[in-house]
Amino acid sequence: EPEVTQTPSHQVTQMGQEVILRCVPISNHLYFYWYRQILGQKVEFLVSFYNNEISEKSEIFDDQFSVERPDGSNFTLKIRSTKLEDSAMYFCASSESSGPQYFGPGTRLLVL
Amino acid sequence: EDQVTQSPEALRLQEGESSSLNCSYTVSGLRGLFWYRQDPGKGPEFLFTLYSAGEEKEKERLKATLTKKESFLHITAPKPEDSATYLCANAGGTSYGKLTFGQGTILTVHP
Repeated sequence: EPEVTQTPSHQVTQMGQEVILRCVPISNHLYFYWYRQILGQKVEFLVSFYNNEISEKSEIFDDQFSVERPDGSNFTLKIRSTKLEDSAMYFCASSESSGPQYFGPGTRLLVL
Repeated sequence: EDQVTQSPEALRLQEGESSSLNCSYTVSGLRGLFWYRQDPGKGPEFLFTLYSAGEEKEKERLKATLTKKESFLHITAPKPEDSATYLCANAGGTSYGKLTFGQGTILTVHP
């Protein structure tokens, strides 16, 4: 069964450093998303991406964040200068259309 | 503003004891109401999509229903392996794909 994959599973970084989180969406899906979940809190939407451009972004997704589809399979989230409050579980998701979104296993990011 | 509220926050059941989880939502123009299961440290696993009031979906011991303001996830004769956090999310309004999640219901089923 096709699934969304994410790497790395865990990432520890120092405050102010850049991190890139990687995702391989399900192959025939056209819509891609990033969400985050701070420990004990709700899953929060960050950004949606379609046809090589951002469709929608939340207030959380400020200038420190960027997304890219560098090739036909990968979808990345970059945080330019990490802050302590960026520590969270980051989930990538993909969908065929406006239907259900399928989530990856997540990357646990810890900023020290 | 889209809002999703789930109750109860936590539910403890004995194996075989049926119950229901509630999801109340406010959105202008619902494009879909989604139920997910999340195990600790894992990503949400898709269960159901409901699009219109009166719709029902079933999968094994789970049945999801939808009204204009609420959705219910009914669990019939649960087993310990049903223990997880159940998340409700909606998509709608001016947003096309953004999901707004509730805080989840932590279900524990004791043998």
